[in-house]
Amino acid sequence: EIVLTQSPATLSLSPGERATLSCRASQSVSNYLAWYQQKPGQAPRLLINDASNRANGIPARFSGSGSGADFTLTISSLEPEDFAIYYCQQRSNWPLTFGGGTKVEIK
Amino acid sequence: EVQLLESGGGLAQPGGSLRLSCTASGFTFSAYSMSWVRQAPGKGLEWVSHISAGGETIYYLSAVEGRFTISRDNSKNTLHLQMNSLRVDDTAIYYCAKDQRRRLVGDAFNAWGQGTMVTVSS
Repeated sequence: EIVLTQSPATLSLSPGERATLSCRASQSVSNYLAWYQQKPGQAPRLLINDASNRANGIPARFSGSGSGADFTLTISSLEPEDFAIYYCQQRSNWPLTFGGGTKVEIK
Repeated sequence: EVQLLESGGGLAQPGGSLRLSCTASGFTFSAYSMSWVRQAPGKGLEWVSHISAGGETIYYLSAVEGRFTISRDNSKNTLHLQMNSLRVDDTAIYYCAKDQRRRLVGDAFNAWGQGTMVTVSS
């Protein structure tokens, strides 16, 4: 099973600041990595697939990068609605696995 | 608009059974693989099971294999999860989720239901 480790667990930032979230895989997943956003009481929403491709309707301030085992989700300038929990997910191997999440909170 | 609506959650005793359903609309259900993903209270996301578009390829999380059975009825646009021998640690919100792209076995999920809560307790 591929283990995804997300860091930091919590990121405390102010609106307008840049957020950098990390996801590290226990082995290479090529570019088969996705990022999701989840707000309290809501289902997750797909942000990024294949490491760097934004899903439909996702604002350009969200970008993904990386390949192999190290990946980054960057939010260039935080909007109030971006404070949420972010998960990475790999689809390289079964079982599909998610990282433990990074909570982006208002400082 | 893509919509996924789960039902069938509730309270079950350890060792009991529940059957979850997910009714899909707004897309060609028979063309997409589907999965169940769960989230224990206050915890992260955990993939549970996958079924390919035609139902011929199925995968399970090892913790549920032999106890849970995924199936689909493409004529009714419905996905199911039969959950037997339930354990306390199966307690979670269960989401059905749609693969983003056709004809892939294992993709990211670009549509999710609202979830149905399963509580296993004596």
